[in-house]
Amino acid sequence: KNQVEQSPQSLIILEGKNCTLQCNYTVSPFSNLRWYKQDTGRGPVSLTIMTFSENTKSNGRYTATLDADTKQSSLHITASQLSDSASYICVVNPNTGGFKTIFGAGTRLFVKA
Amino acid sequence: NAGVTQTPKFRVLKTGQSMTLLCAQDMNHEYMYWYRQDPGMGLRLIHYSVGEGTTAKGEVPDGYNVSRLKKQNFLLGLESAAPSQTSVYFCASMAGNQPQHFGDGTRLSIL
Repeated sequence: KNQVEQSPQSLIILEGKNCTLQCNYTVSPFSNLRWYKQDTGRGPVSLTIMTFSENTKSNGRYTATLDADTKQSSLHITASQLSDSASYICVVNPNTGGFKTIFGAGTRLFVKA
Repeated sequence: NAGVTQTPKFRVLKTGQSMTLLCAQDMNHEYMYWYRQDPGMGLRLIHYSVGEGTTAKGEVPDGYNVSRLKKQNFLLGLESAAPSQTSVYFCASMAGNQPQHFGDGTRLSIL
C-alpha cells in the first residue's frame, strides 16, 4: 500500500532556531511531492511543489529537498518565527492518473519565544 | 477573492440526523474534493469531482453522498449521521496540476 510517513510527530524549538522535518514515502513512481502548512483551525496551504526531477525548492525561509532514489523529502525552516507554529504536511501524488493524492499525518511544530 | 468557502464552520448532530455541507469556490476550478481529517491521520479523500455534473468515490466514501450541479459548488451529504463520522471536513479545489486550495474546514460532531 502506498504510504507517506512523516517524522517527528511533533517538535518544539526556540524562536530563531532552524529545524528540519522529514518525509519518507513508498509511492513510486510519482508525479509530484508537495509540502503544506496547516495553521490551527485552518485549511492546509501549499508551501512547495517538486516533480521527481527536482532536488530542491525554496519559498522564503522554507526549503524542501527531494531524493527520489531514497524516496525521502525534507522541509527545512530557517530562523524560525512564532508564526511558523503549525502542522506541516507532506503530500505525494502517484503517477497513476485520477486523484490518488496521499497525505502524511503531519509534523506538529511549536515555536517558543 | 474568497477562494474556497465552506459552510457551516461548526455543527453538532444527533445520530441518525442528516445534513449537507456546502463548498463554494470562485476560482473557476474544474476539480473539487471532499476530505476528512482525523487525529493522527492524514487527510482521506471521501469523494471528488472532475467537473460539473460528475462525481467519483474516493478512499472512504461509505455513508456520504455528493453532488456537483454547478461548477462552483460541491455538496457533501450525510444521510444518516453516525458517531464515526465525527471529524473535520475539508473541501479543496484545483486547476490542472497546480496545488489544491483548501477551505478552512467544517467541524462536525455526531452525538
